Amino acid sequence: QKEVEQDPGPLSVPEGAIVSLNCTYSNSAFQYFMWYRQYSRKGPELLMYTYSSGNKEDGRFTAQVDKSSKYISLFIRDSQPSDSATYLCAIGQGAQKLVFGQGTRLTINP
Amino acid sequence: SQTIHQWPATLVQPVGSPLSLECTVEGTSNPNLYWYRQAAGRGLQLLFYSVGIGQISSEVPQNLSASRPQDRQFILSSKKLLLSDSGFYLCAWSVSGGPYNSPLHFGNGTRLTVT
Repeated sequence: QKEVEQDPGPLSVPEGAIVSLNCTYSNSAFQYFMWYRQYSRKGPELLMYTYSSGNKEDGRFTAQVDKSSKYISLFIRDSQPSDSATYLCAIGQGAQKLVFGQGTRLTINP
Repeated sequence: SQTIHQWPATLVQPVGSPLSLECTVEGTSNPNLYWYRQAAGRGLQLLFYSVGIGQISSEVPQNLSASRPQDRQFILSSKKLLLSDSGFYLCAWSVSGGPYNSPLHFGNGTRLTVT
C-alpha cells in the first residue's frame, strides 16, 4: 500500500463548478498536509498548508483534513479556466519527511 | 520576499556526459535546501536535502550527487549521465531553525533529457 494515494484523474469540469480533489494516507504519524498547484513545465506552487483536522479556507480554496479517516480534500469554488493544472497533495511529518501524491490533472472548460 | 532560481530551464545531454544544475535562494538565510526529481506519471522523489553548508543527506542511492558550497546555493551533479537520469528536477527550500513543519517552496525546475 502506498503511503499517499491520489486519484490521477484526469478530471474535467465546466467553469463555475465546485471541484473536489482528494488524497488518502496510511501513516497516522503524518500531521502536516499541503496542497500544491503545478502548471505545465513549472514547479509546484504552494496553495494550502495545514496541520490540524478541520477546514482551512483561502479565497476560493478550502482544505479539509480528517485525521480519523486519514483523508484530505481540496475544494475549489467557482472554478476558473486558470485553475486548470495538476494538483499535488503532500503529507508527512515535516518538510524533510513529505510524501507526495501522484497528482490530479484538472481541466476547467469555459 | 523570498525567491528561488533554477537554471537552466531545459537541458539535453548525451549519455556519459557530466551534469551540473544550480539553484539559488534569495531573501532568506540558512534555508533548508532540497533536490527532487519528478518523473512522468509519478510523484516527486526526494533526492537530497541540506540543512547547512557542506551538509548533504542522500535519500536515494544513484548516479547523482549534491553540494552546497554557499548558504543559499545548491548544486546537483553527475559525472556520467545515464538514460534513466532523464526527468524534471526541482529545487526547493524551507525555513530552518523554526517549525519542523515549514512547507516547501519550489523553483521552476530543469527538464533534463539524456539522449
